[in-house]
Amino acid sequence: SQKIEQNSEALNIQEGKTATLTCNYTNYSPAYLQWYRQDPGRGPVFLLLIRENEKEKRKERLKVTFDTTLKQSLFHITASQPADSATYLCAPSGSSNTGKLIFGQGTTLQVKP
Amino acid sequence: DVKVTQSSRYLVKRTGEKVFLECVQDMDHENMFWYRQDPGLGLRLIYFSYDVKMKEKGDIPEGYSVSREKKERFSLILESASTNQTSMYLCASTQRGWEGYTFGSGTRLTVV
Repeated sequence: SQKIEQNSEALNIQEGKTATLTCNYTNYSPAYLQWYRQDPGRGPVFLLLIRENEKEKRKERLKVTFDTTLKQSLFHITASQPADSATYLCAPSGSSNTGKLIFGQGTTLQVKP
Repeated sequence: DVKVTQSSRYLVKRTGEKVFLECVQDMDHENMFWYRQDPGLGLRLIYFSYDVKMKEKGDIPEGYSVSREKKERFSLILESASTNQTSMYLCASTQRGWEGYTFGSGTRLTVV
């Protein structure tokens, strides 16, 4: 069955450093991979989408890579700030207009001042 | 600002009650979804709909039903609430299945 793995242990880093979060998937050949941010008690918020033919995508301090050979996506936040503290979810997806998203369990990032 | 609105932020219901969770989106999206989120289990898909009056089972549909009579509204129904349905319920919508989802703020349901 399809499986999505994100590091369940919280990631603690110092303000100003780069945070790197990992998303691995198995039994899957997604055409896209999405990343979301979720704050406690709130719904996830869409951040970025990367296509299978894109190696890398950037948005402000965020960078996402997508390696279909390794079946892995990396999510980087550069110059991290305490306000970046949240849980980050990845979700591989197909290309269907009526498809559904299955989410990883998320990795909690804590940025310390 | 585009929105997905869930009718209640917090809800407390008794075992055996019929519970309705309402979700409305103002983006004219085709696809709507209901997830539940529990600690250690992540987001799990209950049901989704890709058109009015159309519905598809997700990974955990047992004990739930849905209704989509109008494009903008997707309702989740707990036919007979049980304590194991205590959870955070999240509604989402998207125009195309591969695009980013817009989520509501969630309904924290407690069944006592």
